[in-house]
Amino acid sequence: GEDVEQSLFLSVREGDSSVINCTYTDSSSTYLYWYKQEPGAGLQLLTYIFSNMDMKQDQRLTVLLNKKDKHLSLRIADTQTGDSAIYFCAESAPSSYNNNDMRFGAGTRLTVKP
Amino acid sequence: DVKVTQSSRYLVKRTGEKVFLECVQDMDHENMFWYRQDPGLGLRLIYFSYDVKMKEKGDIPEGYSVSREKKERFSLILESASTNQTSMYLCASSSGPGDTQYFGPGTRLTVL
Repeated sequence: GEDVEQSLFLSVREGDSSVINCTYTDSSSTYLYWYKQEPGAGLQLLTYIFSNMDMKQDQRLTVLLNKKDKHLSLRIADTQTGDSAIYFCAESAPSSYNNNDMRFGAGTRLTVKP
Repeated sequence: DVKVTQSSRYLVKRTGEKVFLECVQDMDHENMFWYRQDPGLGLRLIYFSYDVKMKEKGDIPEGYSVSREKKERFSLILESASTNQTSMYLCASSSGPGDTQYFGPGTRLTVL
C-alpha cells in the first residue's frame, strides 16, 4: 500500500525552531495534514495544505510541500514547552465513496527542553 | 465546533470479556472510523463506516467487529478481549471521502 513516513523523535530547546519532516508515496494525494496529539489525548487537527500549494503559514506554524519530492514539513517557530507532543503527518487522495483514503505516518514525538 | 466523544477515557478488562467502545459525533458526518494506536506503529485502521449499517474492514479487523445503527454512533466490539488488544483506541469522523477526519479523545484499554 501507499506509505507515509516520518522520523519518530525530535528534541529541541525552548525558543528554537522545530522542523518535522514527512514523506509520502501517493502521487494522487489531494490534502496533506498535520495532527497534534498531546499526552493521553486524541488527535487534534493542526493544519492542512492542499496539494496545489507549496506553502501555508499560520502564526507560528509553516507548512512546506514539495510535491515533486513528495515531501512535507512542519516548522514551528519559537518552540515552547507546550508544543511537546506527537505530530502525525497524514495524506488523503480522491477515491470511490466507500473507500477509506486517509493514511497516517507513525508520528514524531517532539520534546522541548527548557 | 466539531465534537467527537468516546464513552470512556480508560478501561480495564479481563481476557475473554466482551468489550464495547462507543463513539458519538454531532456533526452529521457520513464517515466514521476506528483506529488503534501503538507506540512506533502510528494509527492503524480497524474498521470504518460510510453510512448507517454499512461497514468496511480496515487494515487490522481481526478480533474486532463494529456496529453503526445510527448515523451519529459507531461502536467497536471486542468479542473476546485478549492481552494483545491492549492499546489506545481512537474514533474519528469525516463528512466525506478524503475530507478532514476529526478525532475523539481516545480510550486507553488495558486487557489483563
